[in-house]
Amino acid sequence: AQSVTQPDIHITVSEGASLELRCNYSYGATPYLFWYVQSPGQGLQLLLKYFSGDTLVQGIKGFEAEFKRSQSSFNLRKPSVHWSDAAEYFCAVGAGNTDKLIFGTGTRLQVFP
Amino acid sequence: EAGVAQSPRYKIIEKRQSVAFWCNPISGHATLYWYQQILGQGPKLLIQFQNNGVVDDSQLPKDRFSAERLKGVDSTLKIQPAKLEDSAVYLCASSLAGSGGAQYFGPGTRLLVL
Repeated sequence: AQSVTQPDIHITVSEGASLELRCNYSYGATPYLFWYVQSPGQGLQLLLKYFSGDTLVQGIKGFEAEFKRSQSSFNLRKPSVHWSDAAEYFCAVGAGNTDKLIFGTGTRLQVFP
Repeated sequence: EAGVAQSPRYKIIEKRQSVAFWCNPISGHATLYWYQQILGQGPKLLIQFQNNGVVDDSQLPKDRFSAERLKGVDSTLKIQPAKLEDSAVYLCASSLAGSGGAQYFGPGTRLLVL
């Protein structure tokens, strides 16, 4: 069965510092992978997605993620964090033929000035 | 382009009462999803519609939860009777058919059951 693990519940970084949020997945076939962001009191916004091809994908707001099949990982990165990036980040894996998503438990990002 | 609309945004009820949530997806999106997000957890799929047919409702507690999408557009999710553990955010999302999971979410309805 598909599953997603986000090992870090809470991460704190200083504004301007680099960021990496970890995501590991379990899926038998080639996965569809997603990162979503949720600001307080808001719904989820799609940051980026990986279906196939180039393993480094670019998303909105300056985020990127790298798919590593050998490590079953899809880590999210940003070179310089802004205070407005403080939010909850969710990694998800999709079963492509059903469009269904399985979400991880999320990582809460706190940004200090 | 208008996003996914949900109402109400907040609801407080007492246990054993009933409640209904409404969702209007993005125009042209054939697939609609209802998720339950308990505090501190990721969203959990309750039900998935393709047009007005149910694709997956395996995690919907059918003894108390029901959902419909009669004309393949708007959808309602109902809980009757509500339990304390139903306190959560209920998220609606929509996607184009065959999008591979790229879903667009509404702002959610925050439910508190007392």
